[in-house]
Amino acid sequence: RKEVEQDPGPFNVPEGATVAFNCTYSNSASQSFFWYRQDCRKEPKLLMSVYSSGNEDGRFTAQLNRASQYISLLIRDSKLSDSATYLCVVHILTGGGNKLTFGTGTQLKVEL
Amino acid sequence: NAGVMQNPRHLVRRRGQEARLRCSPMKGHSHVYWYRQLPEEGLKFMVYLQKENIIDESGMPKERFSAEFPKEGPSILRIQQVVRGDSAAYFCASSPERQGGTDTQYFGPGTRLTVL
Repeated sequence: RKEVEQDPGPFNVPEGATVAFNCTYSNSASQSFFWYRQDCRKEPKLLMSVYSSGNEDGRFTAQLNRASQYISLLIRDSKLSDSATYLCVVHILTGGGNKLTFGTGTQLKVEL
Repeated sequence: NAGVMQNPRHLVRRRGQEARLRCSPMKGHSHVYWYRQLPEEGLKFMVYLQKENIIDESGMPKERFSAEFPKEGPSILRIQQVVRGDSAAYFCASSPERQGGTDTQYFGPGTRLTVL
């Protein structure tokens, strides 16, 4: 089983639509959670951190359910510029380690 | 404030040659991480370094790969005797001294290695 699992998509949605991505992680010791965005052939960029209480940043809302080991990202009023691959990322703090574990990403295509 | 810098951006090598990838972290950052992204796959952690120390190399292949982060200069990821399967995008990330468990990592633009 992969440490972080995501539906690869692609999700093809019209401009203005609301779209939701889900992610599950397998290691219950995971401590920090993030959504990154990766545009084609470019570096990942931090979109937002994810907190248990849920957090919102403009059109983006992230939720974390530790009991179910489940993370979600909701994008409202989709824009063409939202087209990208969205990476679910988990951080596990170990004695010497500080590594991020990435899902394979969910591809979003926003169309006119 | 310049971001994480990587060079070269593109590197072509023939099988059996050596590849050297360089990463300069953001100013004030003392932690460097290397990740590899194979075609159509997610990023995979390779190694975590602080100045002059390898902290976690659990993701590094056992042979041909090595990394360093000297006291002066950039971090180097070195791949000896490259094979076609090494063709990938190699991303470097950096973070500041960890405070209160904050672990935001900032990524460089990557080096795309092609092995002919």
